[in-house]
Amino acid sequence: DTAVSQTPKYLVTQMGNDKSIKCEQNLGHDTMYWYKQDSKKFLKIMFSYNNKELIINETVPNRFSPKSPDKAHLNLHINSLELGDSAVYFCASSRTRSGGTEAFFGQGTRLTVV
Amino acid sequence: DQQVKQNSPSLSVQEGRISILNCDYTNSMFDYFLWYKKYPAEGPTFLISISSIKDKNEDGRFTVFLNKSAKHLSLHIVPSQPGDSAVYFCAASETGGFKTIFGAGTRLFVKA
Repeated sequence: DTAVSQTPKYLVTQMGNDKSIKCEQNLGHDTMYWYKQDSKKFLKIMFSYNNKELIINETVPNRFSPKSPDKAHLNLHINSLELGDSAVYFCASSRTRSGGTEAFFGQGTRLTVV
Repeated sequence: DQQVKQNSPSLSVQEGRISILNCDYTNSMFDYFLWYKKYPAEGPTFLISISSIKDKNEDGRFTVFLNKSAKHLSLHIVPSQPGDSAVYFCAASETGGFKTIFGAGTRLFVKA
């Protein structure tokens, strides 16, 4: 029974398209995150939600919009996809919103924009 | 601005020997550090952590050492096993902060 699951695992799409990545956690955690792992392999935080409230919004283009319908779900919608958006996107959750809390990650979504 | 640096992209170790993975940080406000392990096509999984009030934390074969004055921490794996072959990420955060900052990772190869 997967703790943090995200779909799809792979996503290949053309420039200019709009796409969504879904994430669900069954751990009962209050906080969820989206991370981006780019070509340099750094894991960079993009967004964090705590009980459906946005608490972290890093310098990310407006084309990226997170949506949290409930505390178990955090989806990521990307408008007008660009080549530079190609990366692996990880969803994660943690028990609390404190930065040092152990995070549980999904398996990642490899997005390729062509 | 890389606040957490893992300067060795890769490390190769013989099975049974010690693996030492290093991490440096620049932000003196960081007071909690974590190590994550990542296998290909999987998300990172938590391995071990250490608070700045300690200089060592041990869990089985894994020990993390923290040198606050040098802003340096290291992960020791003894003895190394082939199943330890993975990418190891160092991460840091500060009390009261919501963000965890990750390094770029070090790929460990343990040869049988």
